[in-house]
Amino acid sequence: EIVLTQSPGTLSLSPGERATLSCRASQSVTSNYLAWYQQRPGQAPRLLIYGASSRATGIPDRFSGSASGTDFTLTISRLEPEDFAVYYCHQYAGSLWTFGQGTKVEIK
Amino acid sequence: EVQLVESGGGLVQPGGSLRLSCAASGFTFSSYWMTWVRQAPGKGLECVANIKEDGSEKYYVDSVKGRFTVSRDDAKNTLYLHMSSLRAEDTAVYYCARGTGTTGVDWGQGTLVTVSS
Repeated sequence: EIVLTQSPGTLSLSPGERATLSCRASQSVTSNYLAWYQQRPGQAPRLLIYGASSRATGIPDRFSGSASGTDFTLTISRLEPEDFAVYYCHQYAGSLWTFGQGTKVEIK
Repeated sequence: EVQLVESGGGLVQPGGSLRLSCAASGFTFSSYWMTWVRQAPGKGLECVANIKEDGSEKYYVDSVKGRFTVSRDDAKNTLYLHMSSLRAEDTAVYYCARGTGTTGVDWGQGTLVTVSS
């Protein structure tokens, strides 16, 4: 099983600031089948990034993803008020998918 | 447009059973692995089970092995999750999902299962 470890657990930032979220995999993720989601309370996860760096349809370009070996990063270049939420990374390559524990981006 | 619509959730007593359904449209259902993911209240996401395109391979998280069964009916474009011996800790929103290498992951809107007496 691939374990995904997200850091930090909580990120306190102000609107307009840059957010950098990390996700470390315990082993290689096949074909970079790594996704990032945003989740607001009471809503289903919203796909932001797939394949480690491809933006999903309709996602603003302030969201970007990158990969370096088993380290994955989600960057939000300038936080908008609607971006304060919980973010999850997710590998969908294995027989059983696994998810990170989440990073909460909160207003400072 | 890909659509995944879950149904069948509700309130069930501990030890009871429930069957969830996921109606798929907008893609060739029989060509994809399909997955059930759940999220307990206030918790993170957990993959519960998945099933290969032809149903020949199925995988389950340890906590549901022997209690849950995933199946599919390709003629009806429908994914199922049969849940038995339900426990309070199975209370969650259950999502069905499809992963692809080209467009990422598609999710349904979820169905809530509450296990309580």
